[in-house]
Amino acid sequence: ETGVTQSPTHLIKTRGQQVTLRCSSQSGHNTVSWYQQALGQGPQFIFQYYREEENGRGNFPPRFSGLQFPNYSSELNVNALELDDSALYLCASSFVGIDEQFFGPGTRLTVL
Amino acid sequence: TQLLEQSPQFLSIQEGENLTVYCNSSSVFSSLQWYRQEPGEGPVLLVTVVTGGEVKKLKRLTFQFGDARKDSSLHITAAQTGDTGLYLCAGVRKGAQKLVFGQGTRLTINP
Repeated sequence: ETGVTQSPTHLIKTRGQQVTLRCSSQSGHNTVSWYQQALGQGPQFIFQYYREEENGRGNFPPRFSGLQFPNYSSELNVNALELDDSALYLCASSFVGIDEQFFGPGTRLTVL
Repeated sequence: TQLLEQSPQFLSIQEGENLTVYCNSSSVFSSLQWYRQEPGEGPVLLVTVVTGGEVKKLKRLTFQFGDARKDSSLHITAAQTGDTGLYLCAGVRKGAQKLVFGQGTRLTINP
C-alpha cells in the first residue's frame, strides 16, 4: 500500500508569484484535503476535494485554489503569494465518509 | 478563537515519568484523532476515538474520549526519549468534512 506523497519537498518563491503543489493520495482513498500549518501552530483546513469537485472550504481567500484528477491526485495553487503564505502545506487523503485522514510529509513553502 | 484547546502547550519531563495532555472544546465531535508530528514531517495518526467514554491503549499510551464527546486526553506512562515530538488532537464535527486541530503540545523527554 502506497502512502500519501507530496512534491516538491521545499520551495522558495517571492511575493506576487504563483505556486503549484502536488499530492498523490494513498491507494484506495478517493478524497484529498489540504491544510496549512504555520510555524508553531496546528494545521488549518484549506479545502477538500471529492469526485474532482471542491467538497468544503476553510477560511482562505479565492487565490487559494485546487484541482483533483481522475486518479484522485490533487494540486493546490496559490496566486499572488504573500509573506504570510510561508508555511508547511499538508495534503491528507481519506475515504469519503470516514473521519480518519492520512497525511503526506508536506511541502515547506517560503515566500521572500 | 481556537475550537480545540490543548494543554499544556509545552511539556518537558524526565524519562520514566508519567504525563497527561488534554484536548478540550465546547463543541461536540463525531470523532477525535490524535496525531504525532516530527519536525519537517506530516502528522502521523496514532488513534481515533468515536464513542463517548471510549478508552484506547497503544502500548504505553492511553487515549480517552469524554462522555459528552467534547474533550479527550492522552496519558503516557513511563515516558521514553523516543516519545519526544509534537502531539496534535483533531476533531471532526458531524456533517463536516474537515479536521479541526488543536495548537499542539510540544513534548520533550529528557534522558
